[in-house]
Amino acid sequence: AQKVTQAQTEISVVEKEDVTLDCVYETRDTTYYLFWYKQPPSGELVFLIRRNSFDEQNEISGRYSWNFQKSTSSFNFTITASQVVDSAVYFCALSEMNSGGYQKVTFGTGTKLQVIP
Amino acid sequence: SAVISQKPSRDICQRGTSLTIQCQVDSQVTMMFWYRQQPGQSLTLIATANQGSEATYESGFVIDKFPISRPNLTFSTLTVSNMSPEDSSIYLCSVASSSGAGETQYFGPGTRLLVL
Repeated sequence: AQKVTQAQTEISVVEKEDVTLDCVYETRDTTYYLFWYKQPPSGELVFLIRRNSFDEQNEISGRYSWNFQKSTSSFNFTITASQVVDSAVYFCALSEMNSGGYQKVTFGTGTKLQVIP
Repeated sequence: SAVISQKPSRDICQRGTSLTIQCQVDSQVTMMFWYRQQPGQSLTLIATANQGSEATYESGFVIDKFPISRPNLTFSTLTVSNMSPEDSSIYLCSVASSSGAGETQYFGPGTRLLVL
């Protein structure tokens, strides 16, 4: 069974600091997809990034960057120069096909990030 | 990405009653999903709803408690039946354009339910 672990329950940083959110996953499949979502206090989940298991290139999007390492089954997320608007709960997720032929997404427990001004 | 709306955005209900949550998408989508997020918890998939077929429920969720309709490619409803305080959660609808494992799911704003 697939599993996603986000060991950091809550992180507090001061504005402009860099912060890394850890994500470790378990899967038996060779083909899978990893995601990060942001859930601000309003509650809506906002899609941030998707990676497939065959693409280990790191990705940068503005202040956000992602480090995917299959050797350690990790997909970590770094926010550079954090801002108060980054305060949210961040979820890492893993997608596979289930036995019924449908996509099955497993979410981690989330990391609550608080950026202090 | 699709624009997804949910109604109601929040509700306070008495135990023993039922609530139907609506999910509307601005484009046709193959897959619609219903999740529950209990307070301070992660998301748990309730069921997957394909248009024209019965919903597929995850372990721990049954049709009698969470009946789902999917009458067309842009709309679905989830009913929370015979509610108890343990049903107090955020209920989220999500969509994907296909059933492939790599398809990104986009989420609606959620329905915050409080059962007294």
